[in-house]
Amino acid sequence: KAGVTQTPRYLIKTRGQQVTLSCSPISGHRSVSWYQQTPGQGLQFLFEYFSETQRNKGNFPGRFSGRQFSNSRSEMNVSTLELGDSALYLCASSVIGLAEYNEQFFGPGTRLTVL
Amino acid sequence: GNSVTQMEGPVTLSEEAFLTINCTYTATGYPSLFWYVQYPGEGLQLLLKATKADDKGSNKGFEATYRKETTSFHLEKGSVQVSDSAVYFCALSDGAGGTSYGKLTFGQGTILTVHP
Repeated sequence: KAGVTQTPRYLIKTRGQQVTLSCSPISGHRSVSWYQQTPGQGLQFLFEYFSETQRNKGNFPGRFSGRQFSNSRSEMNVSTLELGDSALYLCASSVIGLAEYNEQFFGPGTRLTVL
Repeated sequence: GNSVTQMEGPVTLSEEAFLTINCTYTATGYPSLFWYVQYPGEGLQLLLKATKADDKGSNKGFEATYRKETTSFHLEKGSVQVSDSAVYFCALSDGAGGTSYGKLTFGQGTILTVHP
């Protein structure tokens, strides 16, 4: 069974640009969550999508957005990039999105560097 | 809000030594607790979990017990191996319905290095 895949694995952008990251969940998983990982702030929850609807959102500015397609694949977008957006962005998928009942499987992440 | 605090790292041990990584949490209600491990260049993997007080999660020789009275979920292993070198994250899910969808709250992570 294929795991969670994220593309691209590495990105370099400049301030002010925008970026789109992609996540393909494990087949049959309908929930996709996104996290930002930085040395200073650790792992922080961005948002979660289930059946193309955002059900939960973390404390990030509106520059961070996402969407989910009918095949459960998800994208996140960051507009007007800032230096502080440099991070590893992790995607996780699960069957129904409740960690108590089913495991979240994480992808390897996309490393974004903003210059 | 919810939070997770892990012991400061990094932790360096010799092979076959005993491991403890401390984790305490702050949460309302009845959270579920998790330990995740991240190997270099890889995503996080679930190591073990406990969903109610006094539950013990275990996997691959690692154990952790959900202690509600001390709000703790310390990770232990009796004899570590070089292959256990990784970053370990304690996490919680608040189990409070809508606000818990897809969301885990993580500690800062503890780097473990095991020498032969």
